[in-house]
Amino acid sequence: KNEVEQSPQNLTAQEGEFITINCSYSVGISALHWLQQHPGGGIVSLFMLSSGKKKHGRLIATINIQEKHSSLHITASHPRDSAVYICAVGGADGLTFGKGTHLIIQP
Amino acid sequence: GAGVSQSPSNKVTEKGKDVELRCDPISGHTALYWYRQSLGQGLEFLIYFQGNSAPDKSGLPSDRFSAERTGGSVSTLTIQRTQQEDSAVYLCASSSRTGNNEQFFGPGTRLTVL
Repeated sequence: KNEVEQSPQNLTAQEGEFITINCSYSVGISALHWLQQHPGGGIVSLFMLSSGKKKHGRLIATINIQEKHSSLHITASHPRDSAVYICAVGGADGLTFGKGTHLIIQP
Repeated sequence: GAGVSQSPSNKVTEKGKDVELRCDPISGHTALYWYRQSLGQGLEFLIYFQGNSAPDKSGLPSDRFSAERTGGSVSTLTIQRTQQEDSAVYLCASSSRTGNNEQFFGPGTRLTVL
């Protein structure tokens, strides 16, 4: 079974700061997902990647398959980015999730 | 097109009662997944369907849990003789095929067992 570790568990930053959330996993995978969950809200898929780097707006996700590591970056962070960010790995037989990173961006 | 929908959005039940949770995937999505998020816990995988078939049911927490999918569309997750530890948000997701495709999540059903 794949073990998924995220760090940090909690992160509080000021508006405008560059944010990095890390994810490592124990077993080689076919795809890694970054998900976002707002308080009381549903889960939104931000990225799915199997190699390299993807960018969407102020969000950037990278993955290093050899090192079994991925990072999610947020540039020019904003209070509306406050949410739980969840890393998940897996494929056809469902996802294994990290415990999430609780991000608070203060104005 | 509509996203993944789930019903009910909230369910409060008494210990020992049976509950049925419903998931409507995105039209045309052949893969459907059930997950659970317990209070203070992370997300855990329960079961997935490819078409109407569930190849692996080992993720279900106990034999009180069962799931089915008919017509390659709607799925129901049934919990019999509910216990307080079953209280959680039950999430459904669908994707266009198993493998690397992105999963789209429903809003979840919040189940509270009194």
